[in-house]
Amino acid sequence: KQEVTQIPAALSVPEGENLVLNCSFTDSAIYNLQWFRQDPGKGLTSLLLIQSSQREQTSGRLNASLDKSSGRSTLYIAASQPGDSATYLCAVRHSTGNQFYFGTGTSLTVIP
Amino acid sequence: EAGVAQSPRYKIIEKRQSVAFWCNPISGHATLYWYQQILGQGPKLLIQFQNNGVVDDSQLPKDRFSAERLKGVDSTLKIQPAKLEDSAVYLCASRRENTDTQYFGPGTRLTVL
Repeated sequence: KQEVTQIPAALSVPEGENLVLNCSFTDSAIYNLQWFRQDPGKGLTSLLLIQSSQREQTSGRLNASLDKSSGRSTLYIAASQPGDSATYLCAVRHSTGNQFYFGTGTSLTVIP
Repeated sequence: EAGVAQSPRYKIIEKRQSVAFWCNPISGHATLYWYQQILGQGPKLLIQFQNNGVVDDSQLPKDRFSAERLKGVDSTLKIQPAKLEDSAVYLCASRRENTDTQYFGPGTRLTVL
């Protein structure tokens, strides 16, 4: 069974810092990996999706990388802002089947 | 384009009572998911529909949970009877066919006392 782990569980940084969130998964036979953002009391918003054949994806200040062989993905946030404060979750979709496996998330606080 | 709608947003019940949640996916999205998110954990898939057929319900506790998606549009998730450990946020998501991005609703927060 796929296990997805996110480290750290919580992170607090001053505004303007660059930061990296980590996601690791145990089964490298994945179809794709997605990074989501979850705000308190709200659903999840998809940030970036990386197909298994890709190495990275970028959107604005966000950059996600994927190393399938080592079972790792990172989400890089440049020049963090207080509005980036949220919980960030990664999810992997197995290469066979339809299920998405979510990590437990990293709670990010950006201090003004 | 309207997002995924869910109701109610909050529900408090006592154990052994019944409860139902409703989800209206984005128009045209054939795939619909129900997830359970316990506090401090990531979402766990309960059931996945493709149109009005079940694709995956392997993690649905079928002795107390049921779900249906009539006419391949709206869906309801029911718990009967509820247990204390069912306290969680229940998220509905939908996805357009041949795409990978899931769109989530705001969720229903269930508290079982």
